[in-house]
Amino acid sequence: AAGVIQSPRHLIKEKRETATLKCYPIPRHDTVYWYQQGPGQDPQFLISFYEKMQSDKGSIPDRFSAQQFSDYHSELNMSSLELGDSALYFCASSLEYRGSNYGYTFGSGTRLTVV
Amino acid sequence: QKEVEQNSGPLSVPEGAIASLNCTYSDRGSQSFFWYRQYSGKSPELIMFIYSNGDKEDGRFTAQLNKASQYVSLLIRDSQPSDSATYLCAASIYNTDKLIFGTGTRLQVFP
Repeated sequence: AAGVIQSPRHLIKEKRETATLKCYPIPRHDTVYWYQQGPGQDPQFLISFYEKMQSDKGSIPDRFSAQQFSDYHSELNMSSLELGDSALYFCASSLEYRGSNYGYTFGSGTRLTVV
Repeated sequence: QKEVEQNSGPLSVPEGAIASLNCTYSDRGSQSFFWYRQYSGKSPELIMFIYSNGDKEDGRFTAQLNKASQYVSLLIRDSQPSDSATYLCAASIYNTDKLIFGTGTRLQVFP
């Protein structure tokens, strides 16, 4: 079965650079969620989209922005990168709105390293 | 106080034993509760979710929920070395998309 696809798998950027992470949800899933997991930390909710509109927002820095496109894939744009942004970034998708009620499937993640 | 609390472990059990993982939560608005398994450097994998008081069984796994005590647990029967991972407890909050995760319990199953 198709899963949530994230790209790239690994990304190395320098401080103050910009990074773009991509997420392709499971086919027919219309809701996408982004999480950040720092080393030894639990995943922290960043933002979510339902039918291309932002549906919920968590602890996402102002330097980050995200959007969902007409094909339901999503991109997380991160600017003015800081060393503390080094983390695993996971995307998840669900078929229904408020998929948090039933749990959702995570992608393999993008490991971002800021040097 | 974190909204979802877990003992970080490690919890060490011998192969074939029952592993018992515990989690407490503080927000009574939490609706559903989840257990995710995460291997180092990998993404969390959903094992089970529960939203009603009582027990829910799936194969070797049993989730237990006690809303009055704000307590969730996961029992793993016949533990295998391949079960060695970090187990994340998570709670959903009413009318939001977010899952609130605990910091996870590291389980080690030794042969």
